[in-house]
Amino acid sequence: GIQVEQSPPDLILQEGANSTLRCNFSDSVNNLQWFHQNPWGQLINLFYIPSGTKQNGRLSATTVATERYSLLYISSSQTTDSGVYFCAVELRGSTLGRLYFGRGTQLTVWP
Amino acid sequence: DAMVIQNPRYQVTQFGKPVTLSCSQTLNHNVMYWYQQKSSQAPKLLFHYYDKDFNNEADTPDNFQSRRPNTSFCFLDIRSPGLGDAAMYLCATSRVRTNQPQHFGDGTRLSIL
Repeated sequence: GIQVEQSPPDLILQEGANSTLRCNFSDSVNNLQWFHQNPWGQLINLFYIPSGTKQNGRLSATTVATERYSLLYISSSQTTDSGVYFCAVELRGSTLGRLYFGRGTQLTVWP
Repeated sequence: DAMVIQNPRYQVTQFGKPVTLSCSQTLNHNVMYWYQQKSSQAPKLLFHYYDKDFNNEADTPDNFQSRRPNTSFCFLDIRSPGLGDAAMYLCATSRVRTNQPQHFGDGTRLSIL
């Protein structure tokens, strides 16, 4: 199956700092999603971004499909940004929307 | 408004006592998925329904079953829960081939006594 690797595995920041999270994948994909899992376990969809760049407030994401990676940028981080960030991809040619998840990046933002 | 609704949010059951988790959706999506997520791990797909067609992952234990009586509802049945089945269970939906994201519910956290 497809390999999805996220880096770094852990990230500790001071409030106000910026960060970049990376997701590499081993095969061509139909779709890519970034999720934030909060401390209560809720998986929040941040971006649906099979290619290109999108922005939503302090967050933005870029996927370069031809080079098989995606980046999630968090600017001016806040304590509420803490949690686990997952990248998940759907293999190109898939007809059932099956997502393959990376292991996640655990982000901790200190006040 | 919540579009994928899971009940209950927290479920406690006894070792070996059957338990059912439920998921409903208001999106009219044709695919519904069940994921298992253990502590500090990524979500792992157990199975999914494409309309009424059931698709089981190869490594999903026989202990886990699913039912989809209609488009809106999907159930996860664990026939004889063991301690290793304690986890967060996430339901998701999608409409395939439409370039739209998969939507997740808030999950049910299952504890086994």
